[in-house]
Amino acid sequence: GQQVMQIPQYQHVQEGEDFTTYCNSSTTLSNIQWYKQRPGGHPVFLIQLVKSGEVKKQKRLTFQFGEAKKNSSLHITATQTTDVGTYFCAGPPLIQGAQKLVFGQGTRLTINP
Amino acid sequence: ETGVTQTPRHLVMGMTNKKSLKCEQHLGHNAMYWYKQSAKKPLELMFVYNFKEQTENNSVPSRFSPECPNSSHLFLHLHTLQPEDSALYLCASSQTGGASGANVLTFGAGSRLTVL
Repeated sequence: GQQVMQIPQYQHVQEGEDFTTYCNSSTTLSNIQWYKQRPGGHPVFLIQLVKSGEVKKQKRLTFQFGEAKKNSSLHITATQTTDVGTYFCAGPPLIQGAQKLVFGQGTRLTINP
Repeated sequence: ETGVTQTPRHLVMGMTNKKSLKCEQHLGHNAMYWYKQSAKKPLELMFVYNFKEQTENNSVPSRFSPECPNSSHLFLHLHTLQPEDSALYLCASSQTGGASGANVLTFGAGSRLTVL
């Protein structure tokens, strides 16, 4: 079955440093979504990318969708303590329905203030 | 408050107990989901309901029994669970059929289940 891998699994940074997490799917995706889960919380939708090669920005966060629609990345510039949490990518395989979102295992970000 | 409410937030049960998790969405969405989140594992899709009809059962053991009486309410009935079923159970809803084919999930806060 389809697999979505995220690296790294854990990342610890000093406040103010940049952070990047990478997402790779074994199959082509129709779109990629990113979610953030704060410690003790639940996943919250951040953004969706649909087009091949698409780049979107949300303040200090930059999201990219690969040309082949099999990989994606999330980059945070100048991290702040509010960025702490686990970041998940998720996507439905192109050949399956949009509802069969497959999640990566997440990248847990911790920050030293 | 996300618009998706789950109760109870915490549940401890024995392996012979029968309990239920409840989910209610106030967003007017047409699809509802159960996900299981275990430590160090990806979110696992369990069940999908569209317009209260089950459209996906992701090989979930029969000791988990979902019920969707209408598009706003979803239950997960639990019986004779195993300790390895201890996890965070997340309910989500979405509005399907958009122009982009997108399916963005709104999650509830989850029900933390411990099976003794």
